[in-house]
Amino acid sequence: EADIYQTPRYLVIGTGKKITLECSQTMGHDKMYWYQQDPGMELHLIHYSYGVNSTEKGDLSSESTVSRIRTEHFPLTLESARPSHTSQYLCASRGLADYQETQYFGPGTRLLVL
Amino acid sequence: KNQVEQSPQSLIILEGKNCTLQCNYTVSPFSNLRWYKQDTGRGPVSLTIMTFSENTKSNGRYTATLDADTKQSSLHITASQLSDSASYICVVSDRGSTLGRLYFGRGTQLTVWP
Repeated sequence: EADIYQTPRYLVIGTGKKITLECSQTMGHDKMYWYQQDPGMELHLIHYSYGVNSTEKGDLSSESTVSRIRTEHFPLTLESARPSHTSQYLCASRGLADYQETQYFGPGTRLLVL
Repeated sequence: KNQVEQSPQSLIILEGKNCTLQCNYTVSPFSNLRWYKQDTGRGPVSLTIMTFSENTKSNGRYTATLDADTKQSSLHITASQLSDSASYICVVSDRGSTLGRLYFGRGTQLTVWP
């Protein structure tokens, strides 16, 4: 089982609030990812990081921001939550030495913005 | 446009029966294909991975096949159990990027009834 954790697991919050979704992994992986997934739909990459101080936007435009100050930690922040941000957010990580490129996923955060 | 298409969208079977899920892809250049299992409210977990030269891979009651010429894959589940109820996601990786870019299908929602 992968050692990647996300908190909170569920979050209900009002419009306009600032939120931070936490993601941490204890596998020493350099590459980390954030995906957004709506029910019945495919995962969409919104952010990724190759390592400390490296962050890039993914395929799906997102109003969220990320930071990578420590290898094990990759938090995602929404400065002002809106109902359109309601979704499931999945964090994943991958080791550089993994030739199979396996991404290990956290349990996800289900966000509901009222 | 690189795409991964899965069928059926949903499937209901009785416990103990076998089933086969399909995945067609257009991702190029191809690196590998994975099947993930995603339980409700959880992150995806890798079941199998196949590279270009592999045409079958088993993991317990799960057997995946790959036809790289026709760009098709299948996941066969034998003697289904209630715990097999989940979404099964086909994920294809391209060979061209250092990101290890993944293309996700929308998944097949499998329900196993007693």
